[in-house]
Amino acid sequence: SQTIHQWPATLVQPVGSPLSLECTVEGTSNPNLYWYRQAAGRGLQLLFYSVGIGQISSEVPQNLSASRPQDRQFILSSKKLLLSDSGFYLCAWSLSGTGATYAFFGQGTRLTVV
Amino acid sequence: QQPVQSPQAVILREGEDAVINCSSSKALYSVHWYRQKHGEAPVFLMILLKGGEQKGHDKISASFNEKKQQSSLYLTASQLSYSGTYFCGTANPRPGTYKYIFGTGTRLKVLA
Repeated sequence: SQTIHQWPATLVQPVGSPLSLECTVEGTSNPNLYWYRQAAGRGLQLLFYSVGIGQISSEVPQNLSASRPQDRQFILSSKKLLLSDSGFYLCAWSLSGTGATYAFFGQGTRLTVV
Repeated sequence: QQPVQSPQAVILREGEDAVINCSSSKALYSVHWYRQKHGEAPVFLMILLKGGEQKGHDKISASFNEKKQQSSLYLTASQLSYSGTYFCGTANPRPGTYKYIFGTGTRLKVLA
């Protein structure tokens, strides 16, 4: 069966520090991969998505970036965090090649920038 | 542009019913519903693949009106465990994209 791992679960980082969040999927190949951010009490904002290795689509201009160095690995990065980067970050995957795709989520990372 | 959900929030007593609507300005190819508990990741509830389709699971069901670009989630005889935030989700199935977005969300609280 397919599983998705996201770590760490919580993170407290000072303003201006770098960020690296990692997500890996097991049990499937060539998944679509997504990074979302959720501010407290708000909805799910799509940040990046990827349909293949090295293919990244950015949805929101910001100081974050994403990379997909391997088929089932998705990384969210920042060189310098801002206070506004605080939130709940969720990685998700879906099946490729079908219009019926829906999303499975990792456990999420709660990031607090101080 | 993300689908708009209504209402934004609803409070129910146990046993009462609720309807959550999801409306899109763009064509919907399929609609998916999720429930998110506080502090947790969203959990998939059900998928509707084509217009006119209705589905149900226990006392939660949904419909999909493709022409109106809308979907509705029906919660019947609500239970305390139904509390959470509900999101509709949809993907553009155009090959090479599969951009997946969520609706604005509906917070539901069921009181004893």
